[in-house]
Amino acid sequence: DAGVIQSPRHEVTEMGQEVTLRCKPISGHNSLFWYRQTMMRGLELLIYFNNNVPIDDSGMPEDRFSAKMPNASFSTLKIQPSEPRDSAVYFCASSLGSQVLSPLHFGNGTRLTVT
Amino acid sequence: GQQVMQIPQYQHVQEGEDFTTYCNSSTTLSNIQWYKQRPGGHPVFLIQLVKSGEVKKQKRLTFQFGEAKKNSSLHITATQTTDVGTYFCAGATSGTYKYIFGTGTRLKVLA
Repeated sequence: DAGVIQSPRHEVTEMGQEVTLRCKPISGHNSLFWYRQTMMRGLELLIYFNNNVPIDDSGMPEDRFSAKMPNASFSTLKIQPSEPRDSAVYFCASSLGSQVLSPLHFGNGTRLTVT
Repeated sequence: GQQVMQIPQYQHVQEGEDFTTYCNSSTTLSNIQWYKQRPGGHPVFLIQLVKSGEVKKQKRLTFQFGEAKKNSSLHITATQTTDVGTYFCAGATSGTYKYIFGTGTRLKVLA
């Protein structure tokens, strides 16, 4: 079984540019989560979807961040415009959301560097 | 909002010594999960605890959920170099899929 697939693995961009991170969840999983990891703030939940619908986006830092899930097999996290403080590792995770007790399966992450 | 703290932040042990990390939530949890993240890797699920006072074991790892369902611990007996990494707890409150991760404990094992 393929795990959660994220692309790109690394992204280096200049301040002000648009960045799009992509995620393909595990087939059959109906909950999808975007987390951001930094040394200072740890693993922060940005947004999560259930059955393609955003349930809680209270962790999205500001309007520069947006996330979509157009179908069950694809999600994007967009930052426009990007800033140096957005530099972090962004993880996507999926789970069987119909069961609250399901574990999260993480992708390998996208390491974003904004210069 | 909900906060989940872990102590210690860092722990260096000699190989063969025991290790414990503690997780404390500001709110009552419906369940708690534990993850391990190797350096440069992604968090990997270890175990889930649901019942008040529950204790589960995985080989040298012992996990415990507090009676009030607000704290948890992970104990590793006789650490090995393969135990190196950061251990996170993640808690969810009743009726949500919103897992809040703890601050993590980074374990270094010296051979």
